[in-house]
Amino acid sequence: EPEVTQTPSHQVTQMGQEVILRCVPISNHLYFYWYRQILGQKVEFLVSFYNNEISEKSEIFDDQFSVERPDGSNFTLKIRSTKLEDSAMYFCASSAGEGNQPQHFGDGTRLSIL
Amino acid sequence: GDSVTQMEGPVTLSEEAFLTINCTYTATGYPSLFWYVQYPGEGLQLLLKATKADDKGSNKGFEATYRKETTSFHLEKGSVQVSDSAVYFCALSEVMDTGRRALTFGSGTRLQVQP
Repeated sequence: EPEVTQTPSHQVTQMGQEVILRCVPISNHLYFYWYRQILGQKVEFLVSFYNNEISEKSEIFDDQFSVERPDGSNFTLKIRSTKLEDSAMYFCASSAGEGNQPQHFGDGTRLSIL
Repeated sequence: GDSVTQMEGPVTLSEEAFLTINCTYTATGYPSLFWYVQYPGEGLQLLLKATKADDKGSNKGFEATYRKETTSFHLEKGSVQVSDSAVYFCALSEVMDTGRRALTFGSGTRLQVQP
């Protein structure tokens, strides 16, 4: 069964550094998402992406965050200047189409900011 | 805005016991409802879904029925196994004029099944 893959599985970065989290969505999917889960808390929506542009973003997704689909297969989340509170598990998801198609999640990248 | 409320965990059961995890939601329109499961050290896996009122989603012995009148989507399983130990997330997705499709998650309920 096709799956969403994320790399790396664990990223350790110094505060203030830039970090790029990578995702390869399922190949025929059109909608892409990033979520995060701070340890012990609920999964929170960050941003959705369709047709090469952001379709929705939450209040968490401020100017330090950006997303890109550089080559038609990868979908990346960049955090420009990381803060301690960015430490979390980041999940990428993709879905096939409009309406109520389920979102399929990757295994996540654990980001630890020191 | 949309919200999902789940019963707090952990829920601890013996093997072969009956499971219910309560989930209620608030939405402005007609959302689709989902249960996701997160096994230790893994990502979120879709367990089941229901897209309209009175639909029943089912998978791997788990069931949940979309109850519009009570705005609920409780997860049930007749006989749990040790391998069902995981965190279960109730979620909704609502397509609105803005094109919103993002999932809104509950806080998760940890299930521990003892042999």
